[in-house]
Amino acid sequence: AQSVTQLGSHVSVSEGALVLLRCNYSSSVPPYLFWYVQYPNQGLQLLLKYTTGATLVKGINGFEAEFKKSETSFHLTKPSAHMSDAAEYFCAVSDSGAGGTSYGKLTFGQGTILTVHP
Amino acid sequence: DGGITQSPKYLFRKEGQNVTLSCEQNLNHDAMYWYRQDPGQGLRLIYYSQIVNDFQKGDIAEGYSVSREKKESFPLTVTSAQKNPTAFYLCASSPWTVVEGYTFGSGTRLTVV
Repeated sequence: AQSVTQLGSHVSVSEGALVLLRCNYSSSVPPYLFWYVQYPNQGLQLLLKYTTGATLVKGINGFEAEFKKSETSFHLTKPSAHMSDAAEYFCAVSDSGAGGTSYGKLTFGQGTILTVHP
Repeated sequence: DGGITQSPKYLFRKEGQNVTLSCEQNLNHDAMYWYRQDPGQGLRLIYYSQIVNDFQKGDIAEGYSVSREKKESFPLTVTSAQKNPTAFYLCASSPWTVVEGYTFGSGTRLTVV
């Protein structure tokens, strides 16, 4: 069974500073990895995903994440935080694995609330 | 545009009542999911369905029921047996292989009054 650990339930940064949200996973098969963002009283929106190929993936709103197999990590970064980035972020892993021919279900981390100070 | 629609956005329930939350998708997705979200507890899976007329319990199914009579629809009933139903409920859908991840609805906030 797969699992996801997000280090830090709350992260606070200043506007213009680097954003780093940490995600480590465990999976018995090559994983699919995802980051989602949730604004208050809204659903989750896909930021970016890693399935196969290039390990550095770029997403919406200037975010990117790097898949590091040796570290079982998929940390989310953004070079310069904006006030509009304040939200809750969820990392997720799929047990579908490479090939994608079988049914898969996502396992979500506990979420990290990002606060951006002026 | 394809998407997933949850209704209503806000719902109030009296003690002892059953209420049904609607979830409809026009993405032609095979699988659908219901999650409950409480502050500080992340997403907890209630039920999921991979195909029509079949569904499985998630981690917190007690006090909830679902049906999947049509591919597009996956309603959730919160029964009177659910002792603490006040929460934010999220519905999601995905293709069979989740390569594209899940698509989420905008949620229903249920409050017991």
